[in-house]
Amino acid sequence: GDSVTQMEGPVTLSEEAFLTINCTYTATGYPSLFWYVQYPGEGLQLLLKATKADDKGSNKGFEATYRKETTSFHLEKGSVQVSDSAVYFCALSERGAGGTSYGKLTFGQGTILTVHP
Amino acid sequence: DTAVSQTPKYLVTQMGNDKSIKCEQNLGHDTMYWYKQDSKKFLKIMFSYNNKELIINETVPNRFSPKSPDKAHLNLHINSLELGDSAVYFCASSHARASGGGETQYFGPGTRLLVL
Repeated sequence: GDSVTQMEGPVTLSEEAFLTINCTYTATGYPSLFWYVQYPGEGLQLLLKATKADDKGSNKGFEATYRKETTSFHLEKGSVQVSDSAVYFCALSERGAGGTSYGKLTFGQGTILTVHP
Repeated sequence: DTAVSQTPKYLVTQMGNDKSIKCEQNLGHDTMYWYKQDSKKFLKIMFSYNNKELIINETVPNRFSPKSPDKAHLNLHINSLELGDSAVYFCASSHARASGGGETQYFGPGTRLLVL
């Protein structure tokens, strides 16, 4: 079955440091890939997504590129802020060839990011 | 004008009780989901409904029974609550499209269930 593996956390950085959170996936079809973020006490919200190989998703200074050859979707940000402290989830949604996918998300285990001033 | 709302936000109850969680979305989506987040933050899908029809049921104990009275609502009823049911339950919604994939899911704020 489908699976997503994220780097172990927690990750602690100083403000303005470079961030990378690794994500690799296993899927049988043609997945779409997502990064969701969960701020303390809140639900998840979409950070960025990519729907096909070599697509780059970007939002709020975060970027991730869909790499089919390495089955990866690593999240990066050049300069983190205290307000980026949250839990980050990599996820995939399988898209069957010619069929309807109802968007079931398979999540990685989440990476807790803490940014200090 | 909340997009996906859940009630209650917190639920503390005794083992063996029956409880319900409600979810409503005003985004005009046709697909709704329930996810369970455990104490280690791991998220797993439980159910999905499309146009009031159950389409995903991920080996959840039959003590959990979802109900969708219309496209905008998806409720979760839990019978005979157990300690292991303590978790945060998230509702989400999205469009579903032929050829699928890529649709953004919008999540509610979560219901924090504690079974004592």
